[in-house]
Amino acid sequence: AQSVTQPDIHITVSEGASLELRCNYSYGATPYLFWYVQSPGQGLQLLLKYFSGDTLVQGIKGFEAEFKRSQSSFNLRKPSVHWSDAAEYFCAVGPRDKVIFGPGTSLSVIP
Amino acid sequence: DADVTQTPRNRITKTGKRIMLECSQTKGHDRMYWYRQDPGLGLRLIYYSFDVKDINKGEISDGYSVSRQAQAKFSLSLESAIPNQTALYFCATSDLGGTYNEQFFGPGTRLTVL
Repeated sequence: AQSVTQPDIHITVSEGASLELRCNYSYGATPYLFWYVQSPGQGLQLLLKYFSGDTLVQGIKGFEAEFKRSQSSFNLRKPSVHWSDAAEYFCAVGPRDKVIFGPGTSLSVIP
Repeated sequence: DADVTQTPRNRITKTGKRIMLECSQTKGHDRMYWYRQDPGLGLRLIYYSFDVKDINKGEISDGYSVSRQAQAKFSLSLESAIPNQTALYFCATSDLGGTYNEQFFGPGTRLTVL
């Protein structure tokens, strides 16, 4: 059965600091992988996606993620966090037609 | 105008009442989904539809029903609402022809069942 874990429920970083959000998954085949962001009071927006090719994927808003098959991970990174990045971040994994979402990581940014 | 809209945005109702949440999209997508979001649990799939004649149960369909009235409209009903259905509900769409099938979300409906 497929599953997604995001080990960090809540992370606080200072503005300008680097960020890494962790995502680990369990899936029997090569999955489709996604990161979504949910700003307060908003729906989810796609940050980036991966299925094949270069394992380092670039997304919107300066985010990137790296797929590591050996570790079953798809961690999200940003070199310098902005106050506007404060939001909830969801990793999603699965076959093309129906993904499942992780529990989310809430990011707070300190000025 | 937003591509995926949900009505109402907020709703407070009482136990036992029938509630309908509506979703409309202008993206022309074939696939539509209903999720509920609870703190610490992420999004869980309630129902999904790959076209007007195709309705499928998701992970947590008990207590819910859906209707796909047209390609652009997908409604979620709670036949007899109960307090543990208090949650944030999202509608999403995706394109059958897209490589990744990424989903596009509405703004959500916050439902409170007293």
